[in-house]
Amino acid sequence: QKEVEQNSGPLSVPEGAIASLNCTYSDRGSQSFFWYRQYSGKSPELIMFIYSNGDKEDGRFTAQLNKASQYVSLLIRDSQPSDSATYLCAVYSGGGADGLTFGKGTHLIIQP
Amino acid sequence: DTAVSQTPKYLVTQMGNDKSIKCEQNLGHDTMYWYKQDSKKFLKIMFSYNNKELIINETVPNRFSPKSPDKAHLNLHINSLELGDSAVYFCASSLLRGRGNEQFFGPGTRLTVL
Repeated sequence: QKEVEQNSGPLSVPEGAIASLNCTYSDRGSQSFFWYRQYSGKSPELIMFIYSNGDKEDGRFTAQLNKASQYVSLLIRDSQPSDSATYLCAVYSGGGADGLTFGKGTHLIIQP
Repeated sequence: DTAVSQTPKYLVTQMGNDKSIKCEQNLGHDTMYWYKQDSKKFLKIMFSYNNKELIINETVPNRFSPKSPDKAHLNLHINSLELGDSAVYFCASSLLRGRGNEQFFGPGTRLTVL
């Protein structure tokens, strides 16, 4: 069974600091990796995706992938109170219903 | 200009009823999905649909049936609703199926079965 694991938190980070969110996945054949942000009562919003080992940067966000360790992370630099949300790690492995396998999310709180 | 839209936003109904949720995307995407998010916020794939090919998560009861009148719509029909069906249902779409499938989600439909 394909699994995606995240620490549920809450993870509390002071404003302006770097927030580091981590995710591990069980299926070594996984092909693509996504980070979604979900505010309470809202839908998941795609903020980053990464396919290859290494780092990918987009503004204040950096996604990191290490396929050997089956590990994905998201760094948020210069954290803002508006970054407070649940961050969902999602993995595409193919097969099954051909959708994404999601972790249960990490609740991030940015303290002003 | 909503990319993926769903109606209704809220749906309250009695056990045993049949209901439908509509989903439309105006992104020109080829693949559409239905996800269920339970009370613990766990998001799980139910179906994906691409070019008339439906792929079903084996854990989904056959009371749930997606129907696609055209490429831009994937509606979800639920028969004989049960208490355990209460959840938020999200429709999503992606340009591709497979590796490069960045998925974009609709606003969700909160279903409450009494």
